[in-house]
Amino acid sequence: GAVVSQHPSRVICKSGTSVKIECRSLDFQATTMFWYRQFPKQSLMLMATSNEGSKATYEQGVEKDKFLINHASLTLSTLTVTSAHPEDSSFYICSPTGQGALNTEAFFGQGTRLTVV
Amino acid sequence: SQKIEQNSEALNIQEGKTATLTCNYTNYSPAYLQWYRQDPGRGPVFLLLIRENEKEKRKERLKVTFDTTLKQSLFHITASQPADSATYLCALAGSSNTGKLIFGQGTTLQVKP
Repeated sequence: GAVVSQHPSRVICKSGTSVKIECRSLDFQATTMFWYRQFPKQSLMLMATSNEGSKATYEQGVEKDKFLINHASLTLSTLTVTSAHPEDSSFYICSPTGQGALNTEAFFGQGTRLTVV
Repeated sequence: SQKIEQNSEALNIQEGKTATLTCNYTNYSPAYLQWYRQDPGRGPVFLLLIRENEKEKRKERLKVTFDTTLKQSLFHITASQPADSATYLCALAGSSNTGKLIFGQGTTLQVKP
């Protein structure tokens, strides 16, 4: 299967600060990147979809100015949580997908546990 | 609105038995359905994919069925082992070729030795 690297795995930050999460596809070119968020005992919820070189498309209820997504290259996408608040504490997971692979199995990063104090 | 429900939040079974997990959906016509395993603090790992025109899929000790009339998928693990203990997620994808997945809330399986 595809190799996906997501960093950091855990991060604790103070309220009001920003946190950047990186997601790399190590052995394929990720033309599309999905970012999910998962609260305890809940399902993965899609936050946004980005295509390399384009602006991200955000799901309803997700603030695009708060969750900045950069997908400037085919192997790297970043999610920046700006002005973090305790309610942003969650498990963030990326899922890069290559061209022609949109309707097959999905590969996920290891996830990032964000705790805002 | 679209809704996916997995039958129970937790399922406890004895080692060697067959675990059966259920995924029901409403207001959706998925092109295919997938099952993932998720361990605590980790991202999901793909297990099986079944398309709308398929009734059953098998992989080693895993079996998935897909009934588009009942809008239900069953996921079976035969001869279960303690190492099978994890949370199992079902996910639906539409036919719009976007790659977007809608996940159920998951069922946490505990296999006791």
